[in-house]
Amino acid sequence: GESVGLHLPTLSVQEGDNSIINCAYSNSASDYFIWYKQESGKGPQFIIDIRSNMDKRQGQRVTVLLNKTVKHLSLQIAATQPGDSAVYFCAEKADSWGKLQFGAGTQVVVTP
Amino acid sequence: DGGITQSPKYLFRKEGQNVTLSCEQNLNHDAMYWYRQDPGQGLRLIYYSQIVNDFQKGDIAEGYSVSREKKESFPLTVTSAQKNPTAFYLCASKPGQGNNQPQHFGDGTRLSIL
Repeated sequence: GESVGLHLPTLSVQEGDNSIINCAYSNSASDYFIWYKQESGKGPQFIIDIRSNMDKRQGQRVTVLLNKTVKHLSLQIAATQPGDSAVYFCAEKADSWGKLQFGAGTQVVVTP
Repeated sequence: DGGITQSPKYLFRKEGQNVTLSCEQNLNHDAMYWYRQDPGQGLRLIYYSQIVNDFQKGDIAEGYSVSREKKESFPLTVTSAQKNPTAFYLCASKPGQGNNQPQHFGDGTRLSIL
């Protein structure tokens, strides 16, 4: 069936380095994608989104890249900080009502 | 401040008991959602509501029930029919149906079995 998944369950990054979190999606009709950050014991926090008519979108220290040819989404975090340690989820819009399909998540651990 | 409030933060259920989780939002959002999150896993949709007095089953609705009598409120009842209720429950909302806008989440309720 249609699904969203992540390549790496855990990513260890040294403080100050750049992080890249990857996500594969299978529904070629999806036109909207979101990245969320979830800290322990809290709800997911919106980071950045991208529509399918775009290849790249930048925010503050974050960039999302969308490759529709290979159905791949990535989140880049520049100059990773200890506060970036969290689980990161990608999600795709699954229907016209805005229902989201979430991936399993990637745990990012920032080491000093 | 505008936001989504879930209560209680922690909840314990006895065998055969129904429990209700509260979700309130003051963002004037039309759509509201309930998700279940198990340890080390992503979010799975239980129920969602696009408008007051209307709601639809998500992917794992069995053993749960909801109501949407007010725009601001979308309570979730975990019934005794849900045999494995221990999980982290997350409520979300977004402005409207069909548009490309992100869902915003509350900080969850952790439900455990006594």
